[in-house]
Amino acid sequence: DIQMTQSPSTLSASVGDRVTITCRASQSISTWLAWYQQKPGKAPKLLIYKASSLESGVPSRFSGSGSGTEFTLTISSLQPDDFATYYCQQYNSYWTFGQGTKVEIK
Amino acid sequence: QVQLQESGPGLVKPSETLSLTCTVSGDSISSYYWSWIRQPPGKGLEWIGYIYYSGSTNYNPSLKSRVTISVDTSKNQFSLKLSSVTAADTAVYYCARAQVLGTYIDYWGQGTLVTVSS
Repeated sequence: DIQMTQSPSTLSASVGDRVTITCRASQSISTWLAWYQQKPGKAPKLLIYKASSLESGVPSRFSGSGSGTEFTLTISSLQPDDFATYYCQQYNSYWTFGQGTKVEIK
Repeated sequence: QVQLQESGPGLVKPSETLSLTCTVSGDSISSYYWSWIRQPPGKGLEWIGYIYYSGSTNYNPSLKSRVTISVDTSKNQFSLKLSSVTAADTAVYYCARAQVLGTYIDYWGQGTLVTVSS
């Protein structure tokens, strides 16, 4: 099984900050990785697929990078609407989600 | 616009079978992959499995012995059965659409809370 480990688990930041979340795979997954945003009581929302492709309608302040075993999600300038929990998902072999990173207000 | 809606009992007794149905509107179920994901209260996401409209399935190995996902193309629905449930199966259950070859999820249902309790 492929394990996905996100860091940090919680991140405190202010509006306007540049934020980076890391996701590490236990083995190479090429670029078969997606990122989702989830707000309380809501279903997750797709942000990024194939490691760096921005889903239609997602603001350009979100970007993804990486390949193999290490990936990052970057929010270039944090906005009030971005305070949420973020999950990575590998789809190289079955599916596995990371444990989530909560972005909270500093 | 694709919409997915979960339906089924919100309370299931221990050792019984959890059964949920997802109704898809705005798109034909005869394409894409259709999945179930769950989220225990206050915890992260866990993939349960997915099905292609042809009926081919792929399940989370940790749940495989208890899971059955089926599809009814005539009703544009797919379903989840999880047998021998325990309190650990209490979660919000989401149905979702995955892109080709069972990759990333682009549409989600709103989720339904299923509680396992006597």
